[in-house]
Amino acid sequence: DGGITQSPKYLFRKEGQNVTLSCEQNLNHDAMYWYRQDPGQGLRLIYYSQIVNDFQKGDIAEGYSVSREKKESFPLTVTSAQKNPTAFYLCASSENVDQPQHFGDGTRLSIL
Amino acid sequence: KNQVEQSPQSLIILEGKNCTLQCNYTVSPFSNLRWYKQDTGRGPVSLTIMTFSENTKSNGRYTATLDADTKQSSLHITASQLSDSASYICVVRRAGGYNKLIFGAGTRLAVHP
Repeated sequence: DGGITQSPKYLFRKEGQNVTLSCEQNLNHDAMYWYRQDPGQGLRLIYYSQIVNDFQKGDIAEGYSVSREKKESFPLTVTSAQKNPTAFYLCASSENVDQPQHFGDGTRLSIL
Repeated sequence: KNQVEQSPQSLIILEGKNCTLQCNYTVSPFSNLRWYKQDTGRGPVSLTIMTFSENTKSNGRYTATLDADTKQSSLHITASQLSDSASYICVVRRAGGYNKLIFGAGTRLAVHP
């Protein structure tokens, strides 16, 4: 079945540590996205990529980094510079930036 | 400012009852509006999408309406089931610009037996 796979489901970060969230899709989509979801708020865009080897900052990119070396993969690194990383992180993909987005099942990141 | 406001924040209903969720938006220029269902701990799944010219669209027991003049949408759930317990998110796509999707905070629905 085609879809988006996020891993791990749960992740814990120590102070000063960088952690990387995985997102893989086999839908052959060009565009991929990372969102952050906090209680009582709408999803906020962290980064998006329209095509391989290209990515753009969203509204809340500070403290995060991404790479897009392969079409299928769009990993997100939460760096130690992100002072409030506890949240539910959702990855999405679409054929292009004008098409509907399909979401993965998320990674919940917590601080130890 | 482009915003999407949803009400109520949370709702509890008994199994078998109907309910209506509201979405008001100030997004401009408007492209389309989509309702998503998000189960706890899962990603959002699309229920319906509505463009400017559409007033009503159904997907099984889910019926969405759109009034583009007043910039309001509603999602009506008929004969609710326990499996309808989830968050329902209204998302408006803005025409043009790089960050085209504006997400509402969602309505958390609990269906009790």
